[in-house]
This record gives sequence, structure tokens and C-alpha cells, in this order.
Amino acid sequence: SAVISQKPSRDICQRGTSLTIQCQVDSQVTMMFWYRQQPGQSLTLIATANQGSEATYESGFVIDKFPISRPNLTFSTLTVSNMSPEDSSIYLCSVGPSSYNEQFFGPGTRLTVL
Amino acid sequence: ILNVEQSPQSLHVQEGDSTNFTCSFPSSNFYALHWYRWETAKSPEALFVMTLNGDEKKKGRISATLNTKEGYSYLYIKGSQPEDSATYLCASPYGNNRLAFGKGNQVVVIP
Repeated sequence: SAVISQKPSRDICQRGTSLTIQCQVDSQVTMMFWYRQQPGQSLTLIATANQGSEATYESGFVIDKFPISRPNLTFSTLTVSNMSPEDSSIYLCSVGPSSYNEQFFGPGTRLTVL
Repeated sequence: ILNVEQSPQSLHVQEGDSTNFTCSFPSSNFYALHWYRWETAKSPEALFVMTLNGDEKKKGRISATLNTKEGYSYLYIKGSQPEDSATYLCASPYGNNRLAFGKGNQVVVIP
């Protein structure tokens, strides 16, 4: 199992600003995942963060908008840049050993952009 | 990305009643089917990871079945209690441990 913490738990931001979300895991993991859930939508994968290499982004997500850092095997950050109200979502980080095993999630960051 | 659908999107259940809901997913190139329970302001928690056609798993009053040939899974809650109120998510892996989620089944148990 893995215990994951996220900071901040929630924030209200003005459009045009940026917010960096931190994710800390209590054990070393190779891959970390960043998801978001917009209101009324499904939880959607933004990118996979690998230590020592650039993040891999899913279709529809780009590095300029969602830069990711992965400085070591227990920590990652996701930045939501130049925010607009459409970025209002719950952002979650997760880890998991394989597709055949459960994933472990952080408690989420609830972001509201005005 | 895979298309995972859940129905109904929300349901209200009287305390003590049983309920069930459906997750449908592409049956081709099947890896596994995940069920998670997500309470507000908490982390989603895994209920089941199912891999075999015909499999049935149980955790307390919650159980799930899997049909990989036709691409659906049912989640059952027996004798619903207020603490069962949550959003239940199903997800299908699509490579390198990435998950495609449905929109969830939001359950409200009425005391």
C-alpha cells in the first residue's frame, strides 16, 4: 500500500494565475499519475510523471499548460498555468504498481478559478 | 483512450434496501476492471480489481461481478447504510497502468 498526501487541499485562484500542487508518497515509486475531475465529468488522466525523464502527457494536455516536476522517487508537482474557470476541478495524484493492482490516490486538491 | 460508462449516474436508496449499478467497458484487449469508492474530501479507495471472466468478489455488504466477453460489471450493495453514501468509480486500464474512468455512480443512502 501507499499513503499519499497533497498540498494544498483546496484553493481559490484568479484567472491568469498559476498554482502548483504537491504530491508526496510515503514510499519510492517509479510512476506517479496526475488526474483531474471537472464538474460532472469522469476522472481523466493528465500525465504520467517518471523520475529522471519528462512527463508523458495524454491527448488534450500539454506541458506548457500543466508542467510537471519529478525530482525524486517520492515527490511530484503539477502546475496549472494561466488558469481559466475551465480549470476548476479536483486534481488527484496516484501511484500503482501495475494495471492488475489497485492504485492509491491522494486526497485531492479542489481548485476553483474565478 | 477507452470508453467506460456507468449507469445510473446517481441514485437515492432507502436505508436497508439493496441496490446495484452497472459499468460497461470495451471487451477487446481486456486487462482488468477496477472499482473504487470515493467519499467527499477523501481519497478514492480501491474496492476490487477483477481480471477473470465470471469472477465475483465480495467485501462486506458490497460485491461485484465481471463479464469480460460482453464488457460489463455489476456492483451490488446489500442492505444499504448511510456510510455507503459515496461515488463509486469503475476504471479500465489501457496500458502502463493508466486508468480510464467512468463518470461514477453517486449513491445517497437516506436514513
